[in-house]
Amino acid sequence: GESVGLHLPTLSVQEGDNSIINCAYSNSASDYFIWYKQESGKGPQFIIDIRSNMDKRQGQRVTVLLNKTVKHLSLQIAATQPGDSAVYFCAENGPNTGNQFYFGTGTSLTVIP
Amino acid sequence: DSGVTQTPKHLITATGQRVTLRCSPRSGDLSVYWYQQSLDQGLQFLIQYYNGEERAKGNILERFSAQQFPDLHSELNLSSLELGDSALYFCASSPIRTGATQYFGPGTRLTVL
Repeated sequence: GESVGLHLPTLSVQEGDNSIINCAYSNSASDYFIWYKQESGKGPQFIIDIRSNMDKRQGQRVTVLLNKTVKHLSLQIAATQPGDSAVYFCAENGPNTGNQFYFGTGTSLTVIP
Repeated sequence: DSGVTQTPKHLITATGQRVTLRCSPRSGDLSVYWYQQSLDQGLQFLIQYYNGEERAKGNILERFSAQQFPDLHSELNLSSLELGDSALYFCASSPIRTGATQYFGPGTRLTVL
């Protein structure tokens, strides 16, 4: 099966600092990746995605970097705010898997005011 | 708000019972996915339906079944419930079968006593 893992299960950052959440994936054929944010008691919320033909994609205060050589994905959050406190999941989708995504266990981000 | 709705929000039942969880996908989405999220666990893919047909199966127990109706809403049936079935159950939807972002509903929290 697929293996999507996160380097750090928890991360604490000061408000205003930048956050970096990392994710490793095992299937070199995976070609689509999504970062989700899940707040307590809520469903995962789409943040940003990237396809394997890109190395970097930017959104509003978030940037996703994809390093296919080492099968690594990262989510950067600029000027982290208390509302960013949540669990962040990376998910990968590969060819011939239908639209089945494999999710990591998540990184819990805590923003310290 | 993702546009995916799930009912009920909370469900408390006893071991051995049967329950039905309901999901309405975003308008226009043909694919529906069911996930289970246990305490401190990542999202475990259960099953996918596309336009009424089962497309992919994940770690779904034989005691669990699902279906997607002509109006595209989906139901997940859980029977002979065990304590270990207590979890959050999420439904997600996407417009097409493959390579598409999945948008999640708010989830149903199932507690088996």
